[in-house]
Amino acid sequence: QSALTQPASVSGSPGQSITISCTGTSSDVGSYSLVSWYLQHPGKAPKLMIYEVTKRPSGVSIRFSGSKSGNTASLTISGLQAEDEADYYCSSYAGTSTLVFGGGTKLTVL
Amino acid sequence: EVQLVESGGGLVQPGRSLRLSCAASGFTFDDYTMHWVRQAPGKGLEWVSGISWNSVSIGYADSVKGRFTISRDNAKNSLYLQMNSLRDEDTALYYCAKGEYSYMDVWGQGTTVTVSS
Repeated sequence: QSALTQPASVSGSPGQSITISCTGTSSDVGSYSLVSWYLQHPGKAPKLMIYEVTKRPSGVSIRFSGSKSGNTASLTISGLQAEDEADYYCSSYAGTSTLVFGGGTKLTVL
Repeated sequence: EVQLVESGGGLVQPGRSLRLSCAASGFTFDDYTMHWVRQAPGKGLEWVSGISWNSVSIGYADSVKGRFTISRDNAKNSLYLQMNSLRDEDTALYYCAKGEYSYMDVWGQGTTVTVSS
């Protein structure tokens, strides 16, 4: 159970698009279409943004989208807004009823 | 309104035990997988354990396997985490979360566990 690899930080200007990568292995991301993404504002509980690679829960903006290729999953946020500034975490099912998170990415909206 | 309220956190000495509880309301508890996720101060999220609706499927992170035990009481709409042989590195905010076996769609506000002598 090694943590998934995410960039420590990304940044973008309002209105731009950014992509956060999440790299795992053939034992987790590469084997299952079960990647999820969470947003966490400081001092708050995480919020589910994407599940099962591409699905958006009710109420999540269509500006958020997910994809996967091989052992790497990605979260794309289009039309960046100030409120998107937060920490983002990916997670993947890793078999035998276990999950693994990424180390987190701090998104800064310039 | 879907709500998860954790309790049972506190200050405990290394090697001692603690039991966390999570009270669920606003949804059909026994329809969902439940998880515990923790976050050490200033650090990222770490999945700790998950349990299926019928307690048949249970998983643990390697870091807690053999020390922590997850359980649930569907009649009481409650989730538990028995933590034994606690270590300094178990110090964290512990979240209870509802979801499916591969994701968490509702989170509580967390309960803080501090392991220190």
